[in-house]
Amino acid sequence: DGGITQSPKYLFRKEGQNVTLSCEQNLNHDAMYWYRQDPGQGLRLIYYSQIVNDFQKGDIAEGYSVSREKKESFPLTVTSAQKNPTAFYLCASSMSQLQPSNYGYTFGSGTRLTVV
Amino acid sequence: AQSVSQHNHHVILSEAASLELGCNYSYGGTVNLFWYVQYPGQHLQLLLKYFSGDPLVKGIKGFEAEFIKSKFSFNLRKPSVQWSDTAEYFCAVNERGYQKVTFGTGTKLQVIP
Repeated sequence: DGGITQSPKYLFRKEGQNVTLSCEQNLNHDAMYWYRQDPGQGLRLIYYSQIVNDFQKGDIAEGYSVSREKKESFPLTVTSAQKNPTAFYLCASSMSQLQPSNYGYTFGSGTRLTVV
Repeated sequence: AQSVSQHNHHVILSEAASLELGCNYSYGGTVNLFWYVQYPGQHLQLLLKYFSGDPLVKGIKGFEAEFIKSKFSFNLRKPSVQWSDTAEYFCAVNERGYQKVTFGTGTKLQVIP
């Protein structure tokens, strides 16, 4: 079955450490996205990528970095500069490069990151 | 800035009751509108979407939503809810021609058998 795989499901990090969240899709979608979900705040866009080797900052990109070396993969690094990293992180993809949101997003199952 | 408001944060209904969840957006241009649902322990899924045409949109599982342009609203409705509708519902808006989709803060629906 086609879909988005996020790993790991749960992740614990010590303060001051960088950590990378994986997102892989086999849907042949051009666009990929990272959102952060916090209780009472909905989903907030961190970064998105329309094509390989290109990505743009979303609303809350500070303290995060991404890469898009392959169409299938869009890993997110949470750096030590992110002041409040404990959250639920969702990866999504969409089909069209020109109007990606027209088709809606396909979401992964998420990674819950906890800083200890 | 574009924003989406979902005024009901937590809704509790008995089975067979009717449901209406409010969604208002701030952007005045041409928009695409979405409702997503997140069942407990599951992925976010697209429930329905509006791009153009008939402002009354029907989605999966008996849900529908009505786009009222003059009110900047896209409320979600279901005539008779079931226990299995217990989930969190997110309204989302996208400005036509742009990548960014803005999500509301979500409404948690609890249906009591």
